[in-house]
Order: sequence, then C-alpha cells, then structure tokens
Amino acid sequence: KNEVEQSPQNLTAQEGEFITINCSYSVGISALHWLQQHPGGGIVSLFMLSSGKKKHGRLIATINIQEKHSSLHITASHPRDSAVYICAVTMDSNYQLIWGAGTKLIIKP
Amino acid sequence: GAGVSQSPSNKVTEKGKDVELRCDPISGHTALYWYRQSLGQGLEFLIYFQGNSAPDKSGLPSDRFSAERTGGSVSTLTIQRTQQEDSAVYLCASSPSSGYGYTFGSGTRLTVV
Repeated sequence: KNEVEQSPQNLTAQEGEFITINCSYSVGISALHWLQQHPGGGIVSLFMLSSGKKKHGRLIATINIQEKHSSLHITASHPRDSAVYICAVTMDSNYQLIWGAGTKLIIKP
Repeated sequence: GAGVSQSPSNKVTEKGKDVELRCDPISGHTALYWYRQSLGQGLEFLIYFQGNSAPDKSGLPSDRFSAERTGGSVSTLTIQRTQQEDSAVYLCASSPSSGYGYTFGSGTRLTVV
C-alpha cells in the first residue's frame, strides 16, 4: 500500500465545474503539499498545509490531521487548470518527502 | 531500479565544505529536474535538463550551485562552500518528456552545521 494515495488518477470535467482531488496518507507528517505541473512545465508549489484550510484564488486546500486526509478544490474550473496535481507529505520523522502518484486533470471548454 | 534514485539520502556537512548530490533517473527519461525544500517552506525549482538542450538554470540561488547531467542520464548537483541556509531536502524528478508522468526521488536531506 502506498503511503500517499491520491484519487482520482484521472479526471475530465467541463469548464466551470467544481473539482475535488483527494489525498490520503498513512504516515506521521509535519506538512502536506499540493503541487501542480502543466504539460511541458515545471512543478509549481500550490499549498503547504499543516492544519486547517488555505485559499488562493480559485484554489482551496483543506487538511484533516485526525483523518489523515486532504482535499484540493478548484472552483469555476477553466481549461488552463488542466495539469497534473500532486500531493506530497513531509514525514515528521526524517523530513523526507513522500509523493502521491498525481491526478491528471483535463478541463474541456 | 524502477524509480528515481537519489544518494545519499542524508548528508551532514560542515559549513564551507563542498557537497555532491546524485540523481539516477528512470532509464530513458529525457527530462530531469532538481528542486529543494527548506524546512517549513514550499518547493523551490533549481534546474531543469531536457535531452541535449541547454539546461534551464534559472532557479539556482547562487553561483555556488551547479549541476550537470552526464550522457543524458545521471545528474549531479554540486554545492560549493556550503552555508547553513543551504540546509534543505533536495529533490530530483524525471519524466519521459516535458509532459505528464513525472517520477520523483525521495530526496537528499542536507544539513550544514
């Protein structure tokens, strides 16, 4: 079993839809990261969370430490949101990063 | 191996010393990235290699940092005259091309004392 699991692996939606990507982890963490990668581009750090909720523009990230679960939401999705979204956690034991496999999101106009 | 391999996994060095961090990407992956994450910070892009093209070095924080990729495969990130602010987890990732399907290494934790 992977220590960081994301779902869904692939998601295709229409422009304007509300998007949710989930991440569950099984290890003790000091932080959880959501990252974005567009085709042909580098990886962009969207959020780093240790508790609660963060919002940036149309992106919202939440984390529930007790349930070891985080969600990334995109409101009013747009084709430019099409990318791979990656969840990663910083282990609290040795500060190593463990990565999820990513969610490939396609937003159709 | 099947994944991206980084070595060492942990490195403690004295301030002023040089260090080399190694990344073995997945065989056949043409794109290779180096990132770092300082304690409590998000990911910071360092350098990007794509095939035989000139690397994108725009993220290297100072001229003490350099990286090379030999034969389009193994990459080495070198930090000269290390400083305490260089302490971070250094991450390598590779992909078949500059598209989807990145695989990440587990990182090298560098501590400068």
